[in-house]
Amino acid sequence: GDQVEQSPSALSLHEGTSSALRCNFTTTTRSVQWFRQNSRGSLINLFYLASGTKENGRLKSAFDSKELYSTLHIRDAQLEDSGTYFCAAEMLSGSFNKLTFGAGTRLAVCP
Amino acid sequence: EAAVTQSPRNKVTVTGGNVTLSCRQTNSHNYMYWYRQDTGHGLRLIHYSYGAGNLQIGDVPDGYKATRTTQEDFFLLLELASPSQTSLYFCASSHFYEQYFGPGTRLTVL
Repeated sequence: GDQVEQSPSALSLHEGTSSALRCNFTTTTRSVQWFRQNSRGSLINLFYLASGTKENGRLKSAFDSKELYSTLHIRDAQLEDSGTYFCAAEMLSGSFNKLTFGAGTRLAVCP
Repeated sequence: EAAVTQSPRNKVTVTGGNVTLSCRQTNSHNYMYWYRQDTGHGLRLIHYSYGAGNLQIGDVPDGYKATRTTQEDFFLLLELASPSQTSLYFCASSHFYEQYFGPGTRLTVL
């Protein structure tokens, strides 16, 4: 079936460094959303993209619907960036507004 | 204040028990969703709705019923709970695109 593959599954960064998370899609995708889940379990919507790139502070996301992937760049990582990051895809083959989630990337930012 | 609320926040029941999870949103959103989250699986969609009285089947609907009584309220029903339904349950709402999540309900079925 339709899948969303996230990488890496886990990542450790020192404060002030930067990295990128990636999601690959197995089929054509209308849009992608990125979420962060904090230690209390709360899920925060970071980005919605139907194409191109978006930036918010130290976070930047890109979506390439033709090449079937999306990325989330974290610049100058801070301790509060720690958590689990999920991407979720609205597949073209699926119903409108129905999301398929990846398994997540667990990010730990260390002093 | 929180725009998507869930109750209860924690629930313990026994196998065969009857459980209702509640979700209310004050975003005036049309769409509401129920997900379960299990280690290694991310979030999986159980049921969703695009308005009062409407119900759509998600990816893992077996053993669950849902009902959307008003635009604000969406309920998830487990009529014969099983240990495999032990999980963290999230409700979400959306108008068109971005989904906004509630705080979650941790359900344990003994």
